[in-house]
Amino acid sequence: TQLLEQSPQFLSIQEGENLTVYCNSSSVFSSLQWYRQEPGEGPVLLVTVVTGGEVKKLKRLTFQFGDARKDSSLHITAAQPGDTGLYLCAGGGTGNQFYFGTGTSLTVIP
Amino acid sequence: NAGVMQNPRHLVRRRGQEARLRCSPMKGHSHVYWYRQLPEEGLKFMVYLQKENIIDESGMPKERFSAEFPKEGPSILRIQQVVRGDSAAYFCASSPLSTDYSNTQYFGPGTRLTVL
Repeated sequence: TQLLEQSPQFLSIQEGENLTVYCNSSSVFSSLQWYRQEPGEGPVLLVTVVTGGEVKKLKRLTFQFGDARKDSSLHITAAQPGDTGLYLCAGGGTGNQFYFGTGTSLTVIP
Repeated sequence: NAGVMQNPRHLVRRRGQEARLRCSPMKGHSHVYWYRQLPEEGLKFMVYLQKENIIDESGMPKERFSAEFPKEGPSILRIQQVVRGDSAAYFCASSPLSTDYSNTQYFGPGTRLTVL
């Protein structure tokens, strides 16, 4: 089993603060996805990264794939209440299989 | 282009009944995945299917649970003789057949199963 550990598990911050969420594994992945899930809804894809060292930006969100393709980080600048949700990373292996992280529950307090 | 569709969105069953959850993948997607999620937890992989084939069912309980993805029609996750512990949100995701490494899953809105 290819295990993805996310940290922190829970995070509560004030609006306007910055934060970083980590997704780590001992396994190498061919791709890595980040999702955000709101209560009562399905996960929504934020980004896919495929190249070691790749950095992608989506407005205030910055995603990085580790050089060895074993880990990833998500950085949010000036967090807003709308960023509240469960953030999930998922690693893509061979054979179209995916392995999900344990999740980070983020609460941004107005 | 419609996204992944799941129905019903909410399902209530009494202990011992059967639950059938349906998933229609995105158009052009040939791979379907089922996951279970308990409150405040991440997604637990259950099964991965292609049309008429189960590719990986390592996350499925050995008893009472089954899944299929027929040549025509939606994928079905079937839970027989439900128990209270089966209460959870069940998510379906689909992905296209991909020969490169940028493949990605797209999720449906989920079915919330409540067993009374």
